[in-house]
Amino acid sequence: DAGITQSPRHKVTETGTPVTLRCHQTENHRYMYWYRQDPGHGLRLIHYSYGVKDTDKGEVSDGYSVSRSKTEDFLLTLESATSSQTSVYFCAISGGRQSYEQYFGPGTRLTVT
Amino acid sequence: QKEVEQDPGPLSVPEGAIVSLNCTYSNSAFQYFMWYRQYSRKGPELLMYTYSSGNKEDGRFTAQVDKSSKYISLFIRDSQPSDSATYLCAMSAGDMRFGAGTRLTVKP
Repeated sequence: DAGITQSPRHKVTETGTPVTLRCHQTENHRYMYWYRQDPGHGLRLIHYSYGVKDTDKGEVSDGYSVSRSKTEDFLLTLESATSSQTSVYFCAISGGRQSYEQYFGPGTRLTVT
Repeated sequence: QKEVEQDPGPLSVPEGAIVSLNCTYSNSAFQYFMWYRQYSRKGPELLMYTYSSGNKEDGRFTAQVDKSSKYISLFIRDSQPSDSATYLCAMSAGDMRFGAGTRLTVKP
């Protein structure tokens, strides 16, 4: 998975609790992305980062926040998890914003009960 | 209407068959067209990409883009059981937009 790890790989949490997912890369790529994957919707961009402390919203950013304090780490936080946020979350990296080549991590399966 | 439409299948073919996977899109600004392959419980991996219109061949795989019709295709020749996966089309003009994926099973 191109030097990308995600943690945890699986998590079950209750509605209303905060959750943080971590993405770690060893490729020194500038751009990092968080996607969610749901049946019938494919992959949808939540947030992305173009450098340390530089982030922007994606297509489905409501209810999510991100932080990037180091080049290699990109955190996704669900401030108060809801059942609609049950999904598989993928982190991806690329060398450039227009890059067609995004490398994906193994995913985190999150269930909100 | 979604920006990218892809038939989710599932699609089941016998080994050796030619497979055709397709996507349509509505945003004429898309310039990069990609196909990703995703095995069960794994992250997507880039299979092929095409810039603008035209064809691109890589071994048993051929990608076609028809911008006038807003239609892209992926052909797999001599399909193998190891090709069984979900295939995602993706397009980019900045942010990447993905199709929902087509689940393919190649039976021995």
